[in-house]
Amino acid sequence: NAGVTQTPKFQVLKTGQSMTLQCAQDMNHEYMSWYRQDPGMGLRLIHYSVGAGITDQGEVPNGYNVSRSTTEDFPLRLLSAAPSQTSVYFCASSYSTRPMNTEAFFGQGTRLTVV
Amino acid sequence: KNQVEQSPQSLIILEGKNCTLQCNYTVSPFSNLRWYKQDTGRGPVSLTIMTFSENTKSNGRYTATLDADTKQSSLHITASQLSDSASYICVVVKAAGNKLTFGGGTRVLVKP
Repeated sequence: NAGVTQTPKFQVLKTGQSMTLQCAQDMNHEYMSWYRQDPGMGLRLIHYSVGAGITDQGEVPNGYNVSRSTTEDFPLRLLSAAPSQTSVYFCASSYSTRPMNTEAFFGQGTRLTVV
Repeated sequence: KNQVEQSPQSLIILEGKNCTLQCNYTVSPFSNLRWYKQDTGRGPVSLTIMTFSENTKSNGRYTATLDADTKQSSLHITASQLSDSASYICVVVKAAGNKLTFGGGTRVLVKP
């Protein structure tokens, strides 16, 4: 049981480049989300999904797109990378669409640097 | 202003000693509060989850307390071990919606 798998673990991009961060879970979880973690700050929600075909914005969605074509996968796309997007990105999943009462499982993170 | 504030930002303790981390929150309405442990270079891992009616919950050497009236929580680490070196994150979940609000974390370093 792999849990939540993120790839790549590290990435360096040039300003203006695009890329996709991959996230997959094998626990049949309905709820998936993307966060970014910056030094000294709490994790901030970028986008989330309550099921296949359904996505919504979090508190810092600008510059990012997501899709949820299957229950297992929830990729995060950076459309045109900017230095402000340098951060560590975490994907998380929960069994229920109401994660307030269930545990969130996190991936190991992707450290992204935009130069 | 962050709705979940943790203190201290960092602390150093000697192996075998105890320590207590604090979390104050203003998130409302309250559903539950969680403590996560995040090792360097890894994702957060859940330690405890407490609802409004729970005052104390333990997970091995970790004991979390919750005072929903004063909106304060603490995480106590007993007989610290080197493997306890990590960041500890307090997360408060609203009763309405799917929003988790994260504190900035407390970085704990246990020295031999």
